[in-house]
Amino acid sequence: SQQGEEDPQALSIQEGENATMNCSYKTSINNLQWYRQNSGRGLVHLILIRSNEREKHSGRLRVTLDTSKKSSSLLITASRAADTASYFCATALSGYSTLTFGKGTMLLVSP
Amino acid sequence: SAVISQKPSRDICQRGTSLTIQCQVDSQVTMMFWYRQQPGQSLTLIATANQGSEATYESGFVIDKFPISRPNLTFSTLTVSNMSPEDSSIYLCSVVTGLAGVAETQYFGPGTRLLVL
Repeated sequence: SQQGEEDPQALSIQEGENATMNCSYKTSINNLQWYRQNSGRGLVHLILIRSNEREKHSGRLRVTLDTSKKSSSLLITASRAADTASYFCATALSGYSTLTFGKGTMLLVSP
Repeated sequence: SAVISQKPSRDICQRGTSLTIQCQVDSQVTMMFWYRQQPGQSLTLIATANQGSEATYESGFVIDKFPISRPNLTFSTLTVSNMSPEDSSIYLCSVVTGLAGVAETQYFGPGTRLLVL
C-alpha cells in the first residue's frame, strides 16, 4: 500500500514549544502534502512539497522531504493552542489525480 | 482555491435506509472526490466523480452501495444506500483545481457526520 504512516500517532506539548511530525511512504511520489483537520471537520491544506524539493517553509511551518528515505517531516514552531488538530500527510503519484492519506498525528497544544 | 459546502452537515439514520449527501462548489471543477473517514481513522477514497462520465470507484466500494451523481461541474451527490451501523462515518467531498492527472492541492468540504442506528 502507498499509504503514508505518520509518527507519532499523538503528540502533547505546551504552547511555545515546537512540534515535529513525521511521515513515511513506500513508493516514488510526485508530491507530498500536509493537511490539518480540526475536530472531525473538513481538511485544510497546509503545504505541498514536490519530489525535487527538499525543504519548504510557510509561516511557522517547515516541511522537509527525503526521497531517498521516503520520508517527510512537518515542523510547527512556537506552537499555539489553536494548532491543536490532527495532521495528515498525503502522497501523490505521478500520473494520478488522487491522494493517499496517512493515518495522521493528533497534536494537542496546552496553554 | 475553491469553497465547498455540504448538506446535510450531520444526520442520524435508521439502518436499512439511504441518505444522499450533496456537495456544492463555488467554481467549475473537473474532478471531485468522495472520501469516508471512520471514527478515529484516516481518509479513505470512495470514488472519483467526473462530470459526464461514470464515477470511478476504489477497491472495496461499489456503485450499488455508494451511487454518485455528477450532473454539472459544480455539484455532486453521494448516496449511502441500505445503511448499517458500519457506515457511521464522516463523508467528505473534495475538489482539485489543477490539471487532470496531476494531484495538486485538494480543497475539502466541511464533511457530513453520519450516525446509523
